[in-house]
Amino acid sequence: AQKITQTQPGMFVQEKEAVTLDCTYDTSDQSYGLFWYKQPSSGEMIFLIYQGSYDEQNATEGRYSLNFQKARKSANLVISASQLGDSAMYFCAMRETNTGNQFYFGTGTSLTVIP
Amino acid sequence: DAGVIQSPRHEVTEMGQEVTLRCKPISGHNSLFWYRQTMMRGLELLIYFNNNVPIDDSGMPEDRFSAKMPNASFSTLKIQPSEPRDSAVYFCASGTNYYNEQFFGPGTRLTVL
Repeated sequence: AQKITQTQPGMFVQEKEAVTLDCTYDTSDQSYGLFWYKQPSSGEMIFLIYQGSYDEQNATEGRYSLNFQKARKSANLVISASQLGDSAMYFCAMRETNTGNQFYFGTGTSLTVIP
Repeated sequence: DAGVIQSPRHEVTEMGQEVTLRCKPISGHNSLFWYRQTMMRGLELLIYFNNNVPIDDSGMPEDRFSAKMPNASFSTLKIQPSEPRDSAVYFCASGTNYYNEQFFGPGTRLTVL
């Protein structure tokens, strides 16, 4: 089974609107970390936000927030007030701690912000 | 801080040649990761080190690939001999511990003809 599933290959959002990028994960570990990265067309991988499995509050970083629903095993990224510069690939990732700290990435979602 | 440094940024080589990719992690980081990214397979973890020791190399595709970390500030990923299917972008990332985020380098785009 896939460890990280991103079901939206491509998404479009109007500038200044909010958008949610979906991510579900599969693990039997109690302790794990969830991450979102942004990869613009220039190719670099930019860390956006982190959520620990024991964190009770949803993580927030500026315009980014992570909607963590542990029972559903989902870790959706919410981008508020989209900007043209948000157009990029977005990757969800998970690190398990009880299985050798293996790190898994999803296949990514391509986000296009429309002016 | 200069961030994670990778060299070269681009490498074009012929099949059968040895390729060495280099990485300098962020100072003070004790974990280092090598990834490969292709359109077909996405982002794959090849190997990671903690305190210069390889922890998990199960992602290394085959014996042609080897990675070393002789000290806390330098790591290499070597492919010998290279094949066209090794063409990809190779990322190095470093972190401070298993829970924190990883910081990625700019990547090395490898083309094997």
